[in-house]
Amino acid sequence: NAGVTQTPKFQVLKTGQSMTLQCAQDMNHNSMYWYRQDPGMGLRLIYYSASEGTTDKGEVPNGYNVSRLNKREFSLRLESAAPSQTSVYFCASSEERKYYEQYFGPGTRLTVT
Amino acid sequence: DAKTTQPPSMDCAEGRAANLPCNHSTISGNEYVYWYRQIHSQGPQYIIHGLKNNETNEMASLIITEDRKSSTLILPHATLRDTAVYYCIVRLSLQGAQKLVFGQGTRLTINP
Repeated sequence: NAGVTQTPKFQVLKTGQSMTLQCAQDMNHNSMYWYRQDPGMGLRLIYYSASEGTTDKGEVPNGYNVSRLNKREFSLRLESAAPSQTSVYFCASSEERKYYEQYFGPGTRLTVT
Repeated sequence: DAKTTQPPSMDCAEGRAANLPCNHSTISGNEYVYWYRQIHSQGPQYIIHGLKNNETNEMASLIITEDRKSSTLILPHATLRDTAVYYCIVRLSLQGAQKLVFGQGTRLTINP
């Protein structure tokens, strides 16, 4: 199993550009999450999806949209990137009965200039 | 969710037990204590969790005080690979998605 995969690994955007971060998991997990981590800080939840077809806002949803494409995939879109969105983005997933145990991807390092 | 307080950094010698404290004085009766760690530049990794009894798994032990206002994560024989940021999280155990809130954690450095 590959676990949780994220693409791309690195990305540089100019202010105002848009992009989509992709996340996929092959563990048949129901729940998926997007976090961001700023330098020297803990992770903050952006959006999550409890199950296929549902999404909910987390702690810092402004400036982002998400799509739970199917059970495997959960994408994060930045419509108009801002320098404040420079961060490392982590995707995670968890199974229904072990919802406390989240499996994280390797992260996407995004720089907005 | 209960707020947690952890020391910003700790050092431990390789081969010794690393004891990482966490204060959660406002924890409620049905909130669990979870521990994760994040090795440099990687995604966080689940370690262990508990409600009120002490817990042990292949990675670590979790000791929760009787009043549940604090806990200690113990890595019994620390290795250099245990150098990481360790996060203590208090959260209700609910069905479905868990909205974990990560604070700044404790940066543990294992010294040779």
